[in-house]
Amino acid sequence: AQKVTQAQTEISVVEKEDVTLDCVYETRDTTYYLFWYKQPPSGELVFLIRRNSFDEQNEISGRYSWNFQKSTSSFNFTITASQVVDSAVYFCALSAWAGNNRKLIWGLGTSLAVNP
Amino acid sequence: DAGVTQSPTHLIKTRGQHVTLRCSPISGHKSVSWYQQVLGQGPQFIFQYYEKEERGRGNFPDRFSARQFPNYSSELNVNALLLGDSALYLCASSPGQGVEKLFFGSGTQLSVL
Repeated sequence: AQKVTQAQTEISVVEKEDVTLDCVYETRDTTYYLFWYKQPPSGELVFLIRRNSFDEQNEISGRYSWNFQKSTSSFNFTITASQVVDSAVYFCALSAWAGNNRKLIWGLGTSLAVNP
Repeated sequence: DAGVTQSPTHLIKTRGQHVTLRCSPISGHKSVSWYQQVLGQGPQFIFQYYEKEERGRGNFPDRFSARQFPNYSSELNVNALLLGDSALYLCASSPGQGVEKLFFGSGTQLSVL
């Protein structure tokens, strides 16, 4: 089965705190891609990162960092020194084969509220 | 450059009616995908079109159909609307056929009464 689990439904933090959003996935594909998207109240999904299954290097982009561990099928996302503008719903997604093409399998999302 | 544009932004229909949603991809992008997002859930894949041909279809009934035009814009049609079709419908474009990086529009919020 192809599945993405985001166990945290809602997280609330105070500004400047660090916060980690968890993502666990299931797939039988040997080659796959993982993504994180941000959905602010405006509704538009904003691409944050794509990671392929052969690249287990952690990535840092400003206050954002991602920890990919194939051994535990996890792709966690950490925001350092959170800001109010980080408040949004964050989705983890997995690309999976559907016929001859890939489609995205999405988690249910984690709603992050950063309070001043 | 303009991003992915969707119209209308909001729509209210009654059960049994038909609806057409429109999407214009980013200039140069040849692939358009449609997703349905019910409140509190992640997007669900409906269709992908690439170079005017259907390249993927999600688990949706035949009431849902789509097409892509020569200018790569796309329409999603839903017939015989049900209350459960109420959702945010998102369009995404990408340069190629894969899901390497999708650019999403702000969506059309459909309410079926």
